Amino acid sequence: DAGVIQSPRHEVTEMGQEVTLRCKPISGHNSLFWYRQTMMRGLELLIYFNNNVPIDDSGMPEDRFSAKMPNASFSTLKIQPSEPRDSAVYFCASSNLQGGMNTEAFFGQGTRLTVV
Amino acid sequence: SQQGEEDPQALSIQEGENATMNCSYKTSINNLQWYRQNSGRGLVHLILIRSNEREKHSGRLRVTLDTSKKSSSLLITASRAADTASYFCATDATDQGGSEKLVFGKGTKLTVNP
Repeated sequence: DAGVIQSPRHEVTEMGQEVTLRCKPISGHNSLFWYRQTMMRGLELLIYFNNNVPIDDSGMPEDRFSAKMPNASFSTLKIQPSEPRDSAVYFCASSNLQGGMNTEAFFGQGTRLTVV
Repeated sequence: SQQGEEDPQALSIQEGENATMNCSYKTSINNLQWYRQNSGRGLVHLILIRSNEREKHSGRLRVTLDTSKKSSSLLITASRAADTASYFCATDATDQGGSEKLVFGKGTKLTVNP
């Protein structure tokens, strides 16, 4: 398996534009996480899915953020409209939830988003 | 919200020395994990310790867990320049809702000087 694949690796966009980040988890994993990393706030959990269902989105900062997982091999995180304060590195990770417990999470390389 | 908090925030040592990083957390957990992140890269899993374990080893890594104090430590022995990275602890913040979300602390930035 090629690991968790995120695209794009870098994204520069103008304030007000829609941004879509994509993630392909590891085949067979049933949990998927979206994180945002900044110097100030560290690594924040935005939302996580189990078996393609959003379980906890309490970390999503505001209504401008939305995430979907239409099937087990694809997820998107959308920001509309984007703002400069959304600039960060966004990570997707997947793992296997076994017996209600998370095992090792595998991270993608991240998408570095810059909103100007 | 942050579940785990690592300390120190930054640690600088000489090659060959041991490095100890600590993590404190707030709620009950099923397990605690440690991850490493090289600059500009994704996080990489190092070791997982379950709540009923007190110590675990993996190569030059030793992890301890004290559930009564809600704390864990990561010891890297005989450090190398290649160990330079940020280290994070992560907990599965189980609560009444049965949440299994994986929550990370802010990390310890380790610099190993050659």
